[in-house]
Amino acid sequence: NAGVTQTPKFQVLKTGQSMTLQCAQDMNHNSMYWYRQDPGMGLRLIYYSASEGTTDKGEVPNGYNVSRLNKREFSLRLESAAPSQTSVYFCAVSRDSANNEQFFGPGTRLTVL
Amino acid sequence: RKEVEQDPGPFNVPEGATVAFNCTYSNSASQSFFWYRQDCRKEPKLLMSVYSSGNEDGRFTAQLNRASQYISLLIRDSKLSDSATYLCVVGRNAGNMLTFGGGTRLMVKP
Repeated sequence: NAGVTQTPKFQVLKTGQSMTLQCAQDMNHNSMYWYRQDPGMGLRLIYYSASEGTTDKGEVPNGYNVSRLNKREFSLRLESAAPSQTSVYFCAVSRDSANNEQFFGPGTRLTVL
Repeated sequence: RKEVEQDPGPFNVPEGATVAFNCTYSNSASQSFFWYRQDCRKEPKLLMSVYSSGNEDGRFTAQLNRASQYISLLIRDSKLSDSATYLCVVGRNAGNMLTFGGGTRLMVKP
């Protein structure tokens, strides 16, 4: 029972390259979220999916796209990476879109050169 | 002004000390309140939810003051293992969107 898993754990990209961050959960939860964490900024919501088949923008969606592939998987894509996207990315899940605890994955550390 | 503000610290305290953190939030429509703990280079984990009547979990006590829009966390009898960053988190109903404070770093020394 892995909970929330993220791949890759680390990634280095050059400016302009693209990549997809993967998130999967075995908790059978409905809602999934992507955050980025930067020093002194706290976690900021990029996109979320309240349930399978829906996605919505969060606080900082520019430069990102998401896909809720099925109930288990929620991916985050950077089409053309920029140095400002250097950050730690966390995926989180919650039972539903009411005010419930969010469970986080271990994070992906991304550096864009 | 940030929506959720915390003193970044660090708070350096000896083992056995009592330490308190405060957090203020700006959105009066906020509905839910939490404290998360984040260890260095790890993911955030829920420490406790915060209820209007205040709540306690072992050595940890959380209080909410809606009128003044602040949340507090009290840690009694600090342990070395309490060393971490404590995140104040505020939620709104729509989509379970949480807003995180920048965190308060606690270092407990022997």
